[in-house]
Parts: sequence; structure tokens; C-alpha cells
Amino acid sequence: SQKIEQNSEALNIQEGKTATLTCNYTNYSPAYLQWYRQDPGRGPVFLLLIRENEKEKRKERLKVTFDTTLKQSLFHITASQPADSATYLCAPVSGGSYIPTFGRGTSLIVHP
Amino acid sequence: NAGVMQNPRHLVRRRGQEARLRCSPMKGHSHVYWYRQLPEEGLKFMVYLQKENIIDESGMPKERFSAEFPKEGPSILRIQQVVRGDSAAYFCASSPPGGAHMNTEAFFGQGTRLTVV
Repeated sequence: SQKIEQNSEALNIQEGKTATLTCNYTNYSPAYLQWYRQDPGRGPVFLLLIRENEKEKRKERLKVTFDTTLKQSLFHITASQPADSATYLCAPVSGGSYIPTFGRGTSLIVHP
Repeated sequence: NAGVMQNPRHLVRRRGQEARLRCSPMKGHSHVYWYRQLPEEGLKFMVYLQKENIIDESGMPKERFSAEFPKEGPSILRIQQVVRGDSAAYFCASSPPGGAHMNTEAFFGQGTRLTVV
């Protein structure tokens, strides 16, 4: 069955450091993969999308990589700030259904 | 341009009652997705609709749950004869014409938190 794995333990880092979050998937052939941010009590907010033929995508302090051989995406936040503290969700989108399917998310806590 | 609007934000129902959750997509969006989120769990896909059509309902329980997206008006997720296990946050998302085939993101509402007592 299809499975999406994100670190279940919270990631604690110091302000200014780079945060790296991991998303592994099995039994998927995603046409693309999305990353969202979710704050407590609120809906997810889209951050970045990376296609299967792209290795890396950047947007300001954010960087996403996509390795279809390893079946893994990495999400980086450079120069992290306390305001980056949130839960980050990855969502591979299969070429068949085209329905975003979400992992459990990883909680990021940036300490001042 | 208003975002995706969900109402009510909070809904309390007694066991056995019906819950109706509404979602107005962003202007110009014709695709709607419904997800359920339990505490400490991820978003679970329920149903994908276009105007007047259910495209994929593979994530929706066969009994008591139904969804519609009429030509006019919001999308409705209906839960009949609610049970305590239905307590969760229900999120709606919308995307432009072409849906996810266009490699676009989904825009989420703030959710409806259903509590069954």
C-alpha cells in the first residue's frame, strides 16, 4: 500500500541554523510533490511544488529536493527564524489520481 | 479575492444528529477536495468533486457520509447519525479548472472542527 513517512519527532533547532525535513514515500509514482505549512488550528498553506523531472527548487529561504530513485524529498529552511515554527506536510501527487495525499507532518521548533 | 471559506468553524452535535459542513471555494475554482484530520494525525483524503460531479470518493466511508458540489452554491459534506469517532477537523481545499492536472497547489480553508457529544 502507499505510504508517506515524515519524521514523527519534533525537530528542534536554534535560530539562524538550517532546518532539514525529510519525506520518504513508497508505492508511489508521483508526478510532482508539494510541501505545505500548517499552524495550530489553521488550514495548510502551500509553500513549494517540485515536478518529477526537477531535482531542486528554491523560493527565498526555502529549498526542496526530489530524488525519484531514493523516493525521497528533502525540505530545507535556511537562516531559520522562530516564526518558521510550525508543522510541515509533504504531499506527493500521483499521476493517476492527481489527488494530493499528505504525510503526518513534522513539527519544527526554532528556538531564539 | 476571498480565500476558501468554510463554515461553521466549530460545530457541536449530539450522537445521532446530522452535521452539514459547507465550503465555498476560491473565486474561479471548480475543484474541491475534502480532508479529515484527527489530532496528531495527517490529513486523510475523503472526496474530490468538480461542479455537479464526484470525481473520486475512495476515502469517504460508505455509510453516513455524502458530499455534493452543486452548480450554484457551496460544496456540502454531510454526516448523518454522527458518532463520537466522527469528531475531527474537516478541511476543504479548492484548485483552479484543470485541478491538480495543472500542477497547481490546493488552497485550503481554515477547517470546521466537529465535536460529537
